[in-house]
Amino acid sequence: ILNVEQSPQSLHVQEGDSTNFTCSFPSSNFYALHWYRWETAKSPEALFVMTLNGDEKKKGRISATLNTKEGYSYLYIKGSQPEDSATYLCASEGSNDYKLSFGAGTTVTVRA
Amino acid sequence: DVKVTQSSRYLVKRTGEKVFLECVQDMDHENMFWYRQDPGLGLRLIYFSYDVKMKEKGDIPEGYSVSREKKERFSLILESASTNQTSMYLCASSLLGRGMGDNEQFFGPGTRLTVL
Repeated sequence: ILNVEQSPQSLHVQEGDSTNFTCSFPSSNFYALHWYRWETAKSPEALFVMTLNGDEKKKGRISATLNTKEGYSYLYIKGSQPEDSATYLCASEGSNDYKLSFGAGTTVTVRA
Repeated sequence: DVKVTQSSRYLVKRTGEKVFLECVQDMDHENMFWYRQDPGLGLRLIYFSYDVKMKEKGDIPEGYSVSREKKERFSLILESASTNQTSMYLCASSLLGRGMGDNEQFFGPGTRLTVL
């Protein structure tokens, strides 16, 4: 079982402010790092899947970076909006199979 | 549009009942997964399947079984429901094979099961 940790567990952001949070994962037997956004009453949706060390991906105001050597990824939200309020899950995919090991998530609340 | 559906959004059952949770995907995905989500614990894998009639135990298979008779359908079975199985259950699917694009998982809306 991979030990994936996310911090902080929750955070509150003022609308318009930027924020970031962390996912750490074991760097051995690593294949890919996934980020999902889970809004209340909806299904989790994939944001990014990253495999290469130094990878950086962007979708609108949200971006993510990956460091596979030290085993961490950052998710950044620029200019937070109320619709960014959600739980953000990261998951590590091992090289041996297609299973994902999830962190407990970071719940972001954007205050208007 | 990719779609994963689950048979119920909310379900209330009694201790000892046999419970079936159904999941259907319309994307012709080979991989299907069942997770449960509990506060502070994230998603934990119960069972997964790479192909029809094939199943593999995940991290917490005790008290559960699965069935995959058709490629699009993956059922989770609680043989004798217990109160500690009260949880949110999520089904997901993904393509088999790497090098075929991102191996993201597509999730259903979840079933919130309460066992009394």
